[in-house]
Amino acid sequence: NAGVTQTPKFQVLKTGQSMTLQCAQDMNHEYMSWYRQDPGMGLRLIHYSVGAGITDQGEVPNGYNVSRSTTEDFPLRLLSAAPSQTSVYFCASSVGLAVSGETQYFGPGTRLLVL
Amino acid sequence: GESVGLHLPTLSVQEGDNSIINCAYSNSASDYFIWYKQESGKGPQFIIDIRSNMDKRQGQRVTVLLNKTVKHLSLQIAATQPGDSAVYFCAETAGSYQLTFGKGTKLSVIP
Repeated sequence: NAGVTQTPKFQVLKTGQSMTLQCAQDMNHEYMSWYRQDPGMGLRLIHYSVGAGITDQGEVPNGYNVSRSTTEDFPLRLLSAAPSQTSVYFCASSVGLAVSGETQYFGPGTRLLVL
Repeated sequence: GESVGLHLPTLSVQEGDNSIINCAYSNSASDYFIWYKQESGKGPQFIIDIRSNMDKRQGQRVTVLLNKTVKHLSLQIAATQPGDSAVYFCAETAGSYQLTFGKGTKLSVIP
């Protein structure tokens, strides 16, 4: 199993540009989520999905869109990038909810710089 | 909103010594806690978890202690090795899917 994969590893955008961060998992996990990690702060949940066709907002959803058309893929879209979105983005997947004791498996991250 | 925080941002220990990483939380409704390890350039990796109905849980070389009275969580690493050098995060949840992460403690192991 490849686990959770993310592409690209690094991206530079200009303010106002759009892009999609890709996330895929091959563990047949129902639950997937996107986090951002900023210096001096813990990971913060952006959006999550409890299954194909179902998504919901996390703590910091503004400026981001997601969709879940398949169990394997959970792309994160930035419609109009802003410097405040400069961060490291992590995708995670799990069999069940964190409250069920299921561990989340994290991808290697995408480092995004918005100029 | 309520948040999870860490007492020390950095910790240096000699190889072979025990390490203790602390975490304070403020949400009294939190009922599930997780410790993650994050190596440079990688995503967080699950280490150990504990539920609020327990005060101690042991894994391989790691022990998590939970003190609900003072809302304090700690991670103990026995016989710390160079491979333990990383940033350690605690996270908590109060019954929802959303985890609240602490800011992280950087552990450096001195050979």
